[in-house]
Amino acid sequence: GAVVSQHPSRVICKSGTSVKIECRSLDFQATTMFWYRQFPKKSLMLMATSNEGSKATYEQGVEKDKFLINHASLTLSTLTVTSAHPEDSSFYICSAADPAGVEQYFGPGTRLTVT
Amino acid sequence: AQSVTQLDSQVPVFEEAPVELRCNYSSSVSVYLFWYVQYPNQGLQLLLKYLSGSTLVKGINGFEAEFNKSQTSFHLRKPSVHISDTAEYFCAVTFAGGSYIPTFGRGTSLIVHP
Repeated sequence: GAVVSQHPSRVICKSGTSVKIECRSLDFQATTMFWYRQFPKKSLMLMATSNEGSKATYEQGVEKDKFLINHASLTLSTLTVTSAHPEDSSFYICSAADPAGVEQYFGPGTRLTVT
Repeated sequence: AQSVTQLDSQVPVFEEAPVELRCNYSSSVSVYLFWYVQYPNQGLQLLLKYLSGSTLVKGINGFEAEFNKSQTSFHLRKPSVHISDTAEYFCAVTFAGGSYIPTFGRGTSLIVHP
């Protein structure tokens, strides 16, 4: 099946700094990628839809200036958490839509801890 | 409104016993159905999916699910569970004609006891 990677797998940063998380589709081109956030013992919460070559579409309540998304190529989307605070600590998961758009392939997730 | 319901937040079961994890959805359009498993601190792994065709779908790790359109259900089953099946299980539904962004259930924690 299709493979999606995320880097880093876990990161610890200090409050006020910015952190970039990369999501790559390794063996297919993904015009659409998605970013999710998962709180402990909770389901996935869609943050935004990332479209190659255009601006991301953010879900209601997600601060677009805080969570910057760039989808510069058909295999790479990045999520930058700007001026991170402890409440941004979470598990972030990306996914890429298959070319038919029916199925999503998920990355392994990134554990962000802000101290 | 379109929604996905996993009624059981936690299902405890003994090793080698059968298990069923329930998933119901609400939709007025055609659906695509998925079950994912998530182990601690890992991403989602696809167990199985229903896109079309046979309503009984077999997946990895001995799991299977049956799409029941009349009952709007897609319950996940395994005849004999192992300790290693302890994980979080998510049902997800994609509604045809929409954006194909899946709607996730809240998840069911399967706990297998020795």
